[in-house]
Amino acid sequence: RKEVEQDPGPFNVPEGATVAFNCTYSNSASQSFFWYRQDCRKEPKLLMSVYSSGNEDGRFTAQLNRASQYISLLIRDSKLSDSATYLCVVNRGGNTGKLIFGQGTTLQVKP
Amino acid sequence: DGGITQSPKYLFRKEGQNVTLSCEQNLNHDAMYWYRQDPGQGLRLIYYSQIVNDFQKGDIAEGYSVSREKKESFPLTVTSAQKNPTAFYLCASSLRAPRNIQYFGAGTRLSVL
Repeated sequence: RKEVEQDPGPFNVPEGATVAFNCTYSNSASQSFFWYRQDCRKEPKLLMSVYSSGNEDGRFTAQLNRASQYISLLIRDSKLSDSATYLCVVNRGGNTGKLIFGQGTTLQVKP
Repeated sequence: DGGITQSPKYLFRKEGQNVTLSCEQNLNHDAMYWYRQDPGQGLRLIYYSQIVNDFQKGDIAEGYSVSREKKESFPLTVTSAQKNPTAFYLCASSLRAPRNIQYFGAGTRLSVL
């Protein structure tokens, strides 16, 4: 079983749609959770950290369910510029700072 | 501007050759990391360093070497022992754990001639 699992997609949605991505992780000791965005042939960039209480940043909402070891990202009112690969990222626990990256979910927003 | 600079952007390696990828940061981060990304795959950790003059192997360290002589710099050498070096190499840095949001450089694309 992979340490961080994501549906690779692609998710093809029309502009204005709401789309949700899910991610599961296997290490119950993980304490930090993130969503990164990666554009084609570019470096990953932090989209948002994920907190137990859930958090929102504009059109983006992230949720964490520790009991089920499950993280989600919701994008409302999709824009063409949201087209990218979204990486679910989890720390390995302990004090090493090491992160585990999912393989990513690809989103394509169509006009 | 604060950030992470990787060079070169593109690099070609001949058979039997060692090549070195540069990574410099001016974010005053203690920790630095090297990842490899193959098409359609997630990032895999090669080496990481939490402090100057100290570094640890990641998941795929074989065929690679690093040094950390300065806080700002963490160069990666891809040795001739790495038989499949063609990939996208990403350097990242962060504050020390647990404040471990990682920020990435623009990457180096390495190909074999």
